[in-house]
Amino acid sequence: DQQVKQNSPSLSVQEGRISILNCDYTNSMFDYFLWYKKYPAEGPTFLISISSIKDKNEDGRFTVFLNKSAKHLSLHIVPSQPGDSAVYFCAANSRTGANSKLTFGKGITLSVRP
Amino acid sequence: ETGVTQTPRHLVMGMTNKKSLKCEQHLGHNAMYWYKQSAKKPLELMFVYNFKEQTENNSVPSRFSPECPNSSHLFLHLHTLQPEDSALYLCASSQDPDSYNSPLHFGNGTRLTVT
Repeated sequence: DQQVKQNSPSLSVQEGRISILNCDYTNSMFDYFLWYKKYPAEGPTFLISISSIKDKNEDGRFTVFLNKSAKHLSLHIVPSQPGDSAVYFCAANSRTGANSKLTFGKGITLSVRP
Repeated sequence: ETGVTQTPRHLVMGMTNKKSLKCEQHLGHNAMYWYKQSAKKPLELMFVYNFKEQTENNSVPSRFSPECPNSSHLFLHLHTLQPEDSALYLCASSQDPDSYNSPLHFGNGTRLTVT
């Protein structure tokens, strides 16, 4: 049973607009969340993270929002750029856990149209 | 070379072949990982090595055999694989495997096809 769900497999957005990528989790022990970005023929790269003691973390054009009561997080990209076109993986862990307990979602393919 | 490098990038092998995947990290990290990414599935952790010692084997079939001769190199030896083993195999490293906020650094992966 998937504990980290990215229910929308793909998203297409116009350049300059906002991209919102969603992620849901079921395990209430998860309290640390990460987003990874993957280009074709490359490995995933770490993008941004958030701990459950916060509900928002911002890094440049990327902001992650966490709604603990809904067990939901989202990644906002503003403004979206064609270079943001990639697969985005949501991942979750417990702050008492090791890296080996990191649980990934299936990923969302983002396409940003020029 | 910087980061995490994996060779080969692509591999096609028959079910009776024996082959090896290689991974090298140039980041001075202490932990190395093998992940499997199958189509339409999340990344699955296979093995973890911490300071050359295997600390995790995620119920992986014995036809996959990892080897970690030192903290910079990791191999995955393959033999008598099945077509369903076709996937992208990703190597990763991290500074502290026991820390939740020590990000994983991934290589570019080996695309394996078993015929």
